[in-house]
Amino acid sequence: QKEVEQDPGPLSVPEGAIVSLNCTYSNSAFQYFMWYRQYSRKGPELLMYTYSSGNKEDGRFTAQVDKSSKYISLFIRDSQPSDSATYLCAMSAIKAAGNKLTFGGGTRVLVKP
Amino acid sequence: GAVVSQHPSWVICKSGTSVKIECRSLDFQATTMFWYRQFPKQSLMLMATSNEGSKATYEQGVEKDKFLINHASLTLSTLTVTSAHPEDSSFYICSASYPGQYNEQFFGPGTRLTVL
Repeated sequence: QKEVEQDPGPLSVPEGAIVSLNCTYSNSAFQYFMWYRQYSRKGPELLMYTYSSGNKEDGRFTAQVDKSSKYISLFIRDSQPSDSATYLCAMSAIKAAGNKLTFGGGTRVLVKP
Repeated sequence: GAVVSQHPSWVICKSGTSVKIECRSLDFQATTMFWYRQFPKQSLMLMATSNEGSKATYEQGVEKDKFLINHASLTLSTLTVTSAHPEDSSFYICSASYPGQYNEQFFGPGTRLTVL
């Protein structure tokens, strides 16, 4: 069993819909949670960073962390075709400079005009 | 801010030659950089952690003599694929730890290596 599980998709939604993404994890030591967006043949781009449980909102993006359930989510409101990409969740137990990230496998999202 | 660059973005080489890939943090100093490998439609696989002024720490199964990493300054890390073979063809991505509150990792755009 992988430490971080993420549905590979593809997740296809019409433009303007809410995109709902999630990851589950098994390591209770994880405290720092990230969402990255990766376009094809590009490096990942950091979208959201959250610490411990709770919600965080940034523009059209909302990240939620439920440590009791070992479950994190990313919601994208008013989705646009430009949101079509692979979304990777990542997490770590510490925040030091040398902290290794554990990634989910990524979910491919397609937003259709 | 927090921009990481990689050079080259795409390289084709013959089997048996060596290829060097550069990773630079353009607007911040990074004591730690990371090198990843990514196969098509798969997630990132960490190869090694690079610390400025010291030897890199390689993940289990990664040949350190084949993938030479040098982190000579706070803004530059290099990955050299020695005696490259077709099975080394892949997408190589670096990241750098930004010296902020959480030491977030910011990624470069990646380098696509094709070995003929």
